[in-house]
Amino acid sequence: NAGVTQTPKFRILKIGQSMTLQCTQDMNHNYMYWYRQDPGMGLKLIYYSVGAGITDKGEVPNGYNVSRSTTEDFPLRLELAAPSQTSVYFCASSYSGTGSEQYFGPGTRLTVT
Amino acid sequence: RKEVEQDPGPFNVPEGATVAFNCTYSNSASQSFFWYRQDCRKEPKLLMSVYSSGNEDGRFTAQLNRASQYISLLIRDSKLSDSATYLCVVRTGTASKLTFGTGTRLQVTL
Repeated sequence: NAGVTQTPKFRILKIGQSMTLQCTQDMNHNYMYWYRQDPGMGLKLIYYSVGAGITDKGEVPNGYNVSRSTTEDFPLRLELAAPSQTSVYFCASSYSGTGSEQYFGPGTRLTVT
Repeated sequence: RKEVEQDPGPFNVPEGATVAFNCTYSNSASQSFFWYRQDCRKEPKLLMSVYSSGNEDGRFTAQLNRASQYISLLIRDSKLSDSATYLCVVRTGTASKLTFGTGTRLQVTL
C-alpha cells in the first residue's frame, strides 16, 4: 500500500492564482482531512470528509474548497491565492472517526508571492 | 487560552537520559489523547495513544490526568533517533477532529 499520497511536493504561486492540491489514499478509509501547518504552529484543520459526497468545514476553511467524489480522492482547491496561504499542507485519512489513527501524506509546501 | 499547550523546548538531552514532556488541554469534554512524532520537514506519525490508566510502549510511557487536564510523555534511555518534535493531540467531539499542540522539540546528543 502506498498509504496517503500528495501532489505536488512543492509549488510556488503568484498572488491571485488558483491551484488544486491532490490527495489520494489506498487504504479504503472513510475519513479524510486537510491540515495546514505554519512555522512554529500546530496543525490546523481546513476541511474534512466522513465519506464520499460529504464534506465539512474545519477550523480555517476560508479561501479553500474541497470535494469528495470517491473514497480515495480528496482534492483541496485554492482560489485566488494570498500570501497568508503560504504553508505546508498535509492530507490525512483514518478508518473511523472515533479514536482511530490518522495517517498523513508527505505534505505539499506552498509559497504564495 | 490555547486548546492544547506544550512547552516548545528545545529539550537538549544526552543519549541515555530520561526526558519528560507535559501537555495541557482546555476542553474537559475531550475524549481521546495521542502523542504524534514529527521529524524535520516530514509528516506527523502516531507514536502512541494515551489511556486513562497510563500505557507503555517500550521506552515510552504516556500518562493522562483528566482531573488536571494534562498528558505526559516519558522517554527512557533516549536514543539519537528520538530527536524529533513531539505533538500532543486531543480529540474532542465526533468525526475524529483532532487538535494539535505546537509541539515540543527534542534533541538527543552524544
